[in-house]
Amino acid sequence: NAGVTQTPKFQVLKTGQSMTLQCAQDMNHEYMSWYRQDPGMGLRLIHYSVGAGITDQGEVPNGYNVSRSTTEDFPLRLLSAAPSQTSVYFCASSPRQGAYNEQFFGPGTRLTVL
Amino acid sequence: AQSVTQLDSHVSVSEGTPVLLRCNYSSSYSPSLFWYVQHPNKGLQLLLKYTSAATLVKGINGFEAEFKKSETSFHLTKPSAHMSDAAEYFCVVRTKTSYDKVIFGPGTSLSVIP
Repeated sequence: NAGVTQTPKFQVLKTGQSMTLQCAQDMNHEYMSWYRQDPGMGLRLIHYSVGAGITDQGEVPNGYNVSRSTTEDFPLRLLSAAPSQTSVYFCASSPRQGAYNEQFFGPGTRLTVL
Repeated sequence: AQSVTQLDSHVSVSEGTPVLLRCNYSSSYSPSLFWYVQHPNKGLQLLLKYTSAATLVKGINGFEAEFKKSETSFHLTKPSAHMSDAAEYFCVVRTKTSYDKVIFGPGTSLSVIP
């Protein structure tokens, strides 16, 4: 049971490049989400999904796309990277039933946009 | 609307002395509340959670938190700090009627002085 995995761990992009951050979980969780973490701002929700084929925007969705074709995978796409997207990105998952369930977090992806 | 305030951005304690990290929340509905810890360059780990059972919640590594509805607070405490407790701590609110969005506080950085 690997939990939540994220790849890559580190990435450097040039402004305007696109890339996909991968996230996978093997716990059969229906709810998955992406956060970005910036100093002094805690974690901010980018996008989330309550099941395969269903996604919705969080607090800071601009510049990011997501899709959820399977229960296991929830990739995050940066369409045209900007320096403002330099951040640490965390993927998380939790069971869908009720609000009592804690989220399980991946190890994070540290992204730098030059 | 839900929100979370962590009253101190940084707390410094001496090893062996008590720890108090403060969290206040705002929620239109009865919330579920969580504390997560993040050690440097690591992912987030659940410390404890409140889910409307006992108001005093015990977590891992000797931490506990008390839910006080009248004060809308969920402060985290530990009787005796250890060097390994130095980390960033996040208070999180998740409502029963809207479990799809999770709100993080900005975090409190805990330093432990030998």
